[in-house]
Amino acid sequence: ILNVEQSPQSLHVQEGDSTNFTCSFPSSNFYALHWYRWETAKSPEALFVMTLNGDEKKKGRISATLNTKEGYSYLYIKGSQPEDSATYLCAPYSSGDKLTFGTGTRLAVRP
Amino acid sequence: DVKVTQSSRYLVKRTGEKVFLECVQDMDHENMFWYRQDPGLGLRLIYFSYDVKMKEKGDIPEGYSVSREKKERFSLILESASTNQTSMYLCASTLLNTEAFFGQGTRLTVV
Repeated sequence: ILNVEQSPQSLHVQEGDSTNFTCSFPSSNFYALHWYRWETAKSPEALFVMTLNGDEKKKGRISATLNTKEGYSYLYIKGSQPEDSATYLCAPYSSGDKLTFGTGTRLAVRP
Repeated sequence: DVKVTQSSRYLVKRTGEKVFLECVQDMDHENMFWYRQDPGLGLRLIYFSYDVKMKEKGDIPEGYSVSREKKERFSLILESASTNQTSMYLCASTLLNTEAFFGQGTRLTVV
């Protein structure tokens, strides 16, 4: 079983706070690292797919970085809003075409 | 619009029944996945397929089998349903190194 760890497990922040989460994964046999947002009663939706060491991607107030050599990725949310409340999942795509998810970070943003 | 469609949103089956969960994608993706989601455990990979008639075990394949006779369709089979298979089941498809698209999920209850 691919060991994918996300921290923290849950996070409560105030509207306007900036926050970040961590995803750590085995660096061997690495193809790509995916980040998804999963809102209650919906299906997960992709935020980023990153493949290269040092990759940085940004979508609005959300950004992510990737370190494939040490096996970690950070997701940042600047100025959190209540609509950012969701579970954020990371998933390394490894050799053998296997897409394995971490248990996620549950974010709750208080108005 | 890309689409991954699961045949049922809700299913109730009896212990010992053979259960088929169907997933169809219209994006010509090679890779398809079946996950189950349980509280506190995130998305756990049951089986995946990287081509027609090809299948690979995920992290929790026991009690399940799969079928991929056509590229667009990936079926999850519970040979003899048990109460511990009560869960939310999610299907996904992707090309290597691109984002995964998820179906709407099937909530299966085994009584």
